[in-house]
Formats: sequence, C-alpha cells, structure tokens
Amino acid sequence: QKEVEQNSGPLSVPEGAIASLNCTYSDRGSQSFFWYRQYSGKSPELIMSIYSNGDKEDGRFTAQLNKASQYVSLLIRDSQPSDSATYLCAVGYNAGGTSYGKLTFGQGTILTVHP
Amino acid sequence: EAGVTQSPTHLIKTRGQQATLRCSPISGHTSVYWYQQALGLGLQFLLWYDEGEERNRGNFPPRFSGRQFPNYSSELNVNALELEDSALYLCASSLWGGHSYEQYFGPGTRLTVT
Repeated sequence: QKEVEQNSGPLSVPEGAIASLNCTYSDRGSQSFFWYRQYSGKSPELIMSIYSNGDKEDGRFTAQLNKASQYVSLLIRDSQPSDSATYLCAVGYNAGGTSYGKLTFGQGTILTVHP
Repeated sequence: EAGVTQSPTHLIKTRGQQATLRCSPISGHTSVYWYQQALGLGLQFLLWYDEGEERNRGNFPPRFSGRQFPNYSSELNVNALELEDSALYLCASSLWGGHSYEQYFGPGTRLTVT
C-alpha cells in the first residue's frame, strides 16, 4: 500500500467549475498536510497547508482534513485555465522516528481546466 | 524576499563521475531538504539538514551525501553516478521548530547522466 495516494487523473473540468482533488494517507501519526502545485517543467509551489480537522480556505482554494478517515482534499472554486497543473499532496510527521521532518508525496493528479 | 536558489540549473555528467549540487535557503530558514524527482517515481526524500547537522535520510545509498554550511546553504554530492540518477534534484527550505514546517522549493537542478 502506498503511503500517500491521490485520485488517479487526469482530471478535466470546464472553466468556472469546482475541481476536487483527493488524497489518502496510511500513517495515522501524520500531523502536517500540504498541497503543492507543479507546472510542467517547474518546481512544486506550496499553495495550502492544513494541520487540524476541518476546512481551511484561502481565496479560491479550500483544503479539507479528516484525520479519522485519513483523508485530505483540495477544492478549487471558479477554476481557471491557469490552474492547469499537477497537484501534489504531501504529508509530514513532526515527531521523532524515520519519518521525522520529511514530506511524503503522492504521485500527483494532473488537472486540466478547459475554456 | 528571495526564494530558494539552486545551482547549476542543468548538469551533465558521465556514469562513474561525481556531481555537486548547491542550494541557498530562504533568508532566516535554517532547515534544508533535498528531494529527487525522477520520471515516473514522484518526489522522493533524500536528506534533511538543520543547524549544520544531518537530521534524517531517505532510502538512498551512501553515495548520496551532503552537508550544510554555517550560513545554512547546502551541498548535495552524488558519487559514482549511475544512469538512474538522472532526475530533477529539488532543494527546499523551512523554518524549524514548533508545530509545522512548510517547505518551499527552489527551481531545481536537472542532472543528466550519460
């Protein structure tokens, strides 16, 4: 079982629609959760971080975390063609042990927003 | 505020040679992380340095090594290069301590081993 799994893509949505990206993780000790956006040929860009159960909103982006279900999601409202990119879910563990400090990434979901 | 910088942008080496990659963190950040992004394998954690010390290491052979300097910049060395080392090497930095550690990535160094 992969440590961090994202819904398989690619995901295609029309401009103005809501894009929903999902991620599950296997380590119940995980404490930090991040969404990165990576344009083709570029490095990942941090767009959202979430640490507590519930929703966190930042502009058109909403991250949702459910630790009981080991599930984190990202909603993009009013999707724009410029949102077309690969979205990476990353999970972190703040205490000691072999997972300490590192981020474990999912394989990414390719999102295409078409006009 | 300047972001994470990495050099060189591209590096071409021959199998068996050594590669040295460099990273400067965001001003004020003390932690530096190295990741490898190889085609089809996703982002894999390599190394974490904080305050000059190696704090954690990913599942990579010892020929991947590095260090962090007093100014918090870092260097990744890859010895005895193999063809499968061809990848994008990403450096990230963060503040450390407390609840969270948001990591910010540099532009990467594309290493090609021929």
